[in-house]
Amino acid sequence: QVQLVQSGAEVKKPGASVKVSCQASGYTFTGYYMHWVRQAPGQGPEWMGWVDPISGGTNYALSFQGRVTMTRDTSISTAYMELSRLRFDDTAIYYCARDPGNRNSYWYFDFWGRGTSVTVSA
Amino acid sequence: EIVLTQSPGTLSLSPGERVTLSCRASQSVSRSFLAWYQQKPGQAPRLLIYGASSRATGIPDRFSGSGSGTDFTLIISRLEPEDFAVYYCQQYDTSPLTFGQGTKLEIK
Repeated sequence: QVQLVQSGAEVKKPGASVKVSCQASGYTFTGYYMHWVRQAPGQGPEWMGWVDPISGGTNYALSFQGRVTMTRDTSISTAYMELSRLRFDDTAIYYCARDPGNRNSYWYFDFWGRGTSVTVSA
Repeated sequence: EIVLTQSPGTLSLSPGERVTLSCRASQSVSRSFLAWYQQKPGQAPRLLIYGASSRATGIPDRFSGSGSGTDFTLIISRLEPEDFAVYYCQQYDTSPLTFGQGTKLEIK
């Protein structure tokens, strides 16, 4: 069965960076784009971007460009999302979410990780 | 960017009732590229509907979606206790992908 296992909770200071991992199992990692979505407390989800596991190509939401980097390591079926220059309003749960398009990108999400809490606090 | 507005914000209902949730887009969502998700406290969202009306794998047939253009609807024909949650719509027609702010179903 498809599983996306994310790294543990993080607490960071403003201005720092955070890197979240998402290890996939139960399917061919290189077949499906991986998205990152965050959800601030009490808010709806917010899409951040995707990474193509084969090429490493990325597509970032404009609001995160310049601060976010999405990468992958196909040898361990793991995707990463690094967010830099953290601000207080980056406090959120960060999810990885699989795109269901097999070598295509459909841009919705059929499987999600359980989320990684990132708290930005002085 | 396409703004999705969900209504109502909160609904108080009883098990067994029928519920209709609305999602309105600020501009037309072409090819009905709209999905619905269910989220329970402390859990990730779960895909219910894609393509406005196609049920995801394993989703009970009491969930149905409809709509096109700017107006979309999620119907739960008969509420079960496990259906009380927050529901989000998401458009995937245009980047950036956007979500609505959610409708919370609570037990009356």
